[in-house]
Amino acid sequence: GQNIDQPTEMTATEGAIVQINCTYQTSGFNGLFWYQQHAGEAPTFLSYNVLDGLEEKGRFSSFLSRSKGYSYLLLKELQMKDSASYLCAVTHMDSNYQLIWGAGTKLIIKP
Amino acid sequence: GAGVSQSPSNKVTEKGKDVELRCDPISGHTALYWYRQSLGQGLEFLIYFQGNSAPDKSGLPSDRFSAERTGGSVSTLTIQRTQQEDSAVYLCASSNIGLSHEQYFGPGTRLTVT
Repeated sequence: GQNIDQPTEMTATEGAIVQINCTYQTSGFNGLFWYQQHAGEAPTFLSYNVLDGLEEKGRFSSFLSRSKGYSYLLLKELQMKDSASYLCAVTHMDSNYQLIWGAGTKLIIKP
Repeated sequence: GAGVSQSPSNKVTEKGKDVELRCDPISGHTALYWYRQSLGQGLEFLIYFQGNSAPDKSGLPSDRFSAERTGGSVSTLTIQRTQQEDSAVYLCASSNIGLSHEQYFGPGTRLTVT
């Protein structure tokens, strides 16, 4: 079956670095998305990984290991506005449009 | 508009009443999705529209839920005889087709069934 696991909640300090992990078990895996969702708002796109390795985009980086079924989102130089939920979602060959979504990780940034 | 819009933003209804939720996708996006998100939970897929193809309704939780998309643009999600467990945020998203195409979400409709 399809399954995605993320920690429910994490806390970090302003200015620090935090890594949010996502593990998945899904048949026909194709790629993995990370979305950010502030409380009461809609999710917004952060990254999409298809190949193994690290992709950097400003303060945010996303890593994928297809063989391990593992991804992480790395946030550097944390700011208070980074307090949000971070959703991991995978695409799979069995469906050319559906995403399988994790429950999200609520990140709390403290001063 | 530039983004996906949804209306109403909030809806409070009594148990047993019918409700209609509206989604206006980004112009030119052929794919449209409806999701449901309960407090502290991930996104639950409800239904998918792609162009003129028959919609994928596999995520609809019961026959009280239905959706249509007129003219390949605006979509309406209808919930009949609402139940308290229907209370959630209903999110609409649109995208271009393809596995790598990100989905753009609307602000959602918060439905509360009393």
